[in-house]
Order: sequence, then structure tokens, then C-alpha cells
Amino acid sequence: EDKVVQSPLSLVVHEGDTVTLNCSYEVTNFRSLLWYKQEKKAPTFLFMLTSSGIEKKSGRLSSILDKKELFSILNITATQTGDSAVYLCAVRRQGAQKLVFGQGTRLTINP
Amino acid sequence: DAGVIQSPRHEVTEMGQEVTLRCKPISGHNSLFWYRQTMMRGLELLIYFNNNVPIDDSGMPEDRFSAKMPNASFSTLKIQPSEPRDSAVYFCASSLPGARGTDTQYFGPGTRLTVL
Repeated sequence: EDKVVQSPLSLVVHEGDTVTLNCSYEVTNFRSLLWYKQEKKAPTFLFMLTSSGIEKKSGRLSSILDKKELFSILNITATQTGDSAVYLCAVRRQGAQKLVFGQGTRLTINP
Repeated sequence: DAGVIQSPRHEVTEMGQEVTLRCKPISGHNSLFWYRQTMMRGLELLIYFNNNVPIDDSGMPEDRFSAKMPNASFSTLKIQPSEPRDSAVYFCASSLPGARGTDTQYFGPGTRLTVL
């Protein structure tokens, strides 16, 4: 059965800090890994990663995938209170549309 | 673009009642997904459709749950009879056509269901 494990489950930092969120996975015939941000309602898409070593970047957020070691990290630099959310990682198999999600990391940024 | 639309946004019902959740996907998206999110189990896929046809319903918990997609712009998830353990947030998501494994799913605002 496909499995996604995120760590830490919860993280509290001060505004301006840099954080790294982790996602490790086990999936048969891996195709892609996705990161979502969930504030009070729907998850919103951040990144999709399919190849190792290629960093995806959007403003202060970046993410990279390691297909050999089966993990991905999501970095957020110069954090702001608006970054407070649950960050979800999900994986997908080749030729499939089904996403398997991790439990999420609840990130709290204190001013 | 209106995004994925779900209704109702909140539903409170009593055990044993029938509950119907509704979803309108983004126009032009040909895949639709129903998820359930709880504190204990996180975000789980219940069922998904391609071109209005159910493809994978292995996540549907039991026969009390059923889903339909009569046309490209509407889907329902029905629970009959409802039980307190069905209390959760139910999300609908849709995705653009594209190479399988690379499409991005866009989520609706969710329906928060409470079964008393």
C-alpha cells in the first residue's frame, strides 16, 4: 500500500525564521509528488515534482525531490504569519490519478 | 473562473438521516474526485470519475456511501443512513485533462458534515 509520512507533524517558529518540512514516501511506480497548503479551508496547490534534483521555486517557497532516497523537502525562507497553515504532501503512481496524502505538517508562525 | 463549487458548506443532521453533498467541477475539467478529511485519518480519496464514469471507488467506506456524476458539471455524494462517525469535511476536487500522473487537482471549499 502506498504510504506518505510527513515530519514534523507540528512546528512553531518566529516570523523571519527559515523552516524545512519533510515528506518521505513509499509508492509503487512513482510518478509525481505534490505539495499543498491548507489554511482554514481547501488545500491549494503549491508544487508538483517529478524529477530528482530539480528545485521548484515560488517566491520564498522552494521544494526538491530525491527519488533515490524517496523524500522531498519544502523550504520556506523569511517566514511570515501568513505562512501559518497545514502543509500536505501527496504522491501518485504512474498512469494514475489517485493521490495518497500524508498527515500534514501544521506550521505556526508567531510574530 | 469560479473554481470548484460545493454545497452545502455546512450540514448538521441526525443519525439515520440521508445526506447529499453536491459538487460542480471547474468547467472543462474531465476528472472529479471526492475526498474526506478527519483529524484521525487525514485526507482520504473516496472515489473519482473520468468523463463522468466512476474509475476507482475503493475508498468508499461502505455501502451507505454512494456517488454519482450524471453530467460533466455535477456530482453528488450521498450517505444513507448517516452515522456520527461520518462527521468530517468532504472535499470535491477536479483536474484538467492531461497526461495521467501529471495533472493537478483543484479543491473546492469543502462541506463540513456533523452527524449528531
